[in-house]
Amino acid sequence: GESVGLHLPTLSVQEGDNSIINCAYSNSASDYFIWYKQESGKGPQFIIDIRSNMDKRQGQRVTVLLNKTVKHLSLQIAATQPGDSAVYFCAELTDSWGKLQFGAGTQVVVTP
Amino acid sequence: DGGITQSPKYLFRKEGQNVTLSCEQNLNHDAMYWYRQDPGQGLRLIYYSQIVNDFQKGDIAEGYSVSREKKESFPLTVTSAQKNPTAFYLCATRTSGNEQFFGPGTRLTVL
Repeated sequence: GESVGLHLPTLSVQEGDNSIINCAYSNSASDYFIWYKQESGKGPQFIIDIRSNMDKRQGQRVTVLLNKTVKHLSLQIAATQPGDSAVYFCAELTDSWGKLQFGAGTQVVVTP
Repeated sequence: DGGITQSPKYLFRKEGQNVTLSCEQNLNHDAMYWYRQDPGQGLRLIYYSQIVNDFQKGDIAEGYSVSREKKESFPLTVTSAQKNPTAFYLCATRTSGNEQFFGPGTRLTVL
């Protein structure tokens, strides 16, 4: 079936370095993707989104890249900070009712 | 978390009991969603509602029920038919641009 998945379950990064979180999707018809950050015991927090008519979108310290050819999505976090430690999910819009398909998530651990 | 409120934060249930989780929003969004999250896993859709008095089953609706009598409220009932209800439950709303925003969640534990 159609699915969204992440390559790495855990990513350790040193404070100040850049982080890259990857996500693969299988539905080539998907046209909207979202990245969420979830801290322990809290609800997911919207980070950034991208539509399929774009290859790149930048926010504050974050950049999302979309490669439709290989159906790959990535989230780049610049100058990673301790507060960036969390689980990051990518989500794919699967229908016109707003139904999102979530990946399993990547745990990002920022070390001093 | 914005204008989405979930209560209670923690909920304990005995086996065989029904419990209702509350979700309220003041964002004036039409669409609302309920997700379940198990440890170390992503979110799975239970039910969703696009408009008042209408709702649809998600991927794992068995053992759950919902109502949507008011735009602001979308309560989820976990019935005794749900065999493994211990999980973190998340409510979300959606903007017209498809952005979904989540509430703080309710952690349900079956004793």
